[in-house]
Amino acid sequence: NAGVTQTPKFRVLKTGQSMTLLCAQDMNHEYMYWYRQDPGMGLRLIHYSVGEGTTAKGEVPDGYNVSRLKKQNFLLGLESAAPSQTSVYFCASSYSGGVSYEQYFGPGTRLTVT
Amino acid sequence: QQPVQSPQAVILREGEDAVINCSSSKALYSVHWYRQKHGEAPVFLMILLKGGEQKGHEKISASFNEKKQQSSLYLTASQLSYSGTYFCGPSWGKLQFGAGTQVVVTP
Repeated sequence: NAGVTQTPKFRVLKTGQSMTLLCAQDMNHEYMYWYRQDPGMGLRLIHYSVGEGTTAKGEVPDGYNVSRLKKQNFLLGLESAAPSQTSVYFCASSYSGGVSYEQYFGPGTRLTVT
Repeated sequence: QQPVQSPQAVILREGEDAVINCSSSKALYSVHWYRQKHGEAPVFLMILLKGGEQKGHEKISASFNEKKQQSSLYLTASQLSYSGTYFCGPSWGKLQFGAGTQVVVTP
């Protein structure tokens, strides 16, 4: 049981480049989330999904897109990277909605945009 | 709108106690608590629900005052393994995390 995995672990992009971060979970969870973590800011929700084929915006969605074509995978895309997107990105999943079900986090992706 | 955690940081000696507070400006359905060690992913500690129900994996105690929209996490007889950054996540439908409280436990 791998839990939540993220690919890649590290990435350096130049301004304007694009990339996709992959999140996979093997716990059959319905909900999946993408967060970014910046120093002193805690975890901020970018986008989330309540099930296969559905996505919704979180607190800081601008500059990101997501897709959930399969229940176990949640992709985060940066179409045109900016230095302000330098951050650590965490994916998480939960069995159901966030009110009473704990979230399981992946190991994170450290992204630097130069 | 982000929940407010206090203190921002605390240094403890092994065996000492500490309290971490989390305040929200909105009415809450539940409060989540997570701990993150340096360079690692956040790990679930506890959920406190309206009505007093709690779910947790560890022997950590916490309280949830629905009327005051506050929660507190109690680190009792702290151990070295308690070091890390603690995040609260009050939920009124979606989770929104506080900025974190850094806890350092020294021998």
